[in-house]
Amino acid sequence: EDQVTQSPEALRLQEGESSSLNCSYTVSGLRGLFWYRQDPGKGPEFLFTLYSAGEEKEKERLKATLTKKESFLHITAPKPEDSATYLCAVQAVDQAGTALIFGKGTTLSVSS
Amino acid sequence: DTAVSQTPKYLVTQMGNDKSIKCEQNLGHDTMYWYKQDSKKFLKIMFSYNNKELIINETVPNRFSPKSPDKAHLNLHINSLELGDSAVYFCASSQDAFRTALGKETQYFGPGTRLLVL
Repeated sequence: EDQVTQSPEALRLQEGESSSLNCSYTVSGLRGLFWYRQDPGKGPEFLFTLYSAGEEKEKERLKATLTKKESFLHITAPKPEDSATYLCAVQAVDQAGTALIFGKGTTLSVSS
Repeated sequence: DTAVSQTPKYLVTQMGNDKSIKCEQNLGHDTMYWYKQDSKKFLKIMFSYNNKELIINETVPNRFSPKSPDKAHLNLHINSLELGDSAVYFCASSQDAFRTALGKETQYFGPGTRLLVL
């Protein structure tokens, strides 16, 4: 069965304290791995898509990387406005149609 | 302009009632979805429609019935609401079902409808 596991569940950082969020996946075949950001009371907002091992994408203080078994979302010198829940999702070969399989997310809190 | 919109934002109702949630996207996308996010924040697909036709119907009670009057709208009707139906329901859309299944298209989410069944 296809699975996505994110760790840690919650992460507290001081402003400027860099860290990484992990997303490990078990799928029969990966079509794409997606990172979303979700603010309280809002819908998930798309950040990145990664397709193959070794690929990296960057956006401001965020950098996503992909290996054959996991993805990391690196946050460099975070600011309080980076506080949110970060969701990882995969599009798998054997999934019906277009369904994304989501992990349970990592809730990041950045304090000043 | 809101790309994917849902109404209502909040819905509080009694057990046994029937209710509907509406979704509209102005992105010109062909494919629309309903996801459910439970109290533990876990997002799970319920339905997917491509050009008004159902393409995914996960294990969801048949009290839930999606309807797509046109490819810009996907509504969700829920009969005989139960306490366990309390959750946040998200609508999403993507450009093209075939390319989405290949991971080549992004799914864009609406703001969610918070349903509370008392």
